[in-house]
Amino acid sequence: QQQVKQSPQSLIVQKGGISIINCAYENTAFDYFPWYQQFPGKGPALLIAIRPDVSEKKEGRFTISFNKSAKQFSLHIMDSQPGDSATYFCAAPQGGSEKLVFGKGTKLTVNP
Amino acid sequence: NAGVTQTPKFQVLKTGQSMTLLCAQDMNHEYMSWYRQDPGMGLRLIHYSVGAGITDQGEVPNGYNVSRSTTEDFPLRLLSAAPSQTSVYFCASSRLAGGDEQFFGPGTRLTVL
Repeated sequence: QQQVKQSPQSLIVQKGGISIINCAYENTAFDYFPWYQQFPGKGPALLIAIRPDVSEKKEGRFTISFNKSAKQFSLHIMDSQPGDSATYFCAAPQGGSEKLVFGKGTKLTVNP
Repeated sequence: NAGVTQTPKFQVLKTGQSMTLLCAQDMNHEYMSWYRQDPGMGLRLIHYSVGAGITDQGEVPNGYNVSRSTTEDFPLRLLSAAPSQTSVYFCASSRLAGGDEQFFGPGTRLTVL
């Protein structure tokens, strides 16, 4: 069973600061690493994903950095805003299967 | 498009009762899955399906049954509810398995007394 280790468990950032969340995985059958964002009372929604023929993908204030040799990837949120306050999940495909394994989540709080 | 819909939104059961959580999607997605979310545990896969008539177990399948008779619907059955099944349940669908965006429903909050 693939394990995806996500850290930190919770994160408090001031408005305008940089939020960084890290994930480490074991083995995958193919390269697809998404980040999901979940607001209270809602289902998760895809925020950004990378297929690592590149080591970095940027969409607006959100960037995924990927280190294949270290089996790690991270989410960077630049100029963090109070509206970014949510729980973030990373995920990785389980080796040899169609299943996506999620990390345990990071609760981000951005103070005004 | 309604996307992924789940019913009911909330449910309270007594230990030993059975019930079915409903999930439907209108995006013609082949891959559907059920997750449970518990505090500090993230999203754990219960069962999944790669197409009509095909289902398989996830990480935490015990106490749950699924079937997939149509592309659109993927119900989750609790056979004999236990307090350990108190959780928030999410259904998700995607065009492809694994390496594709999963669309999640709004969730069902289940309490087993």
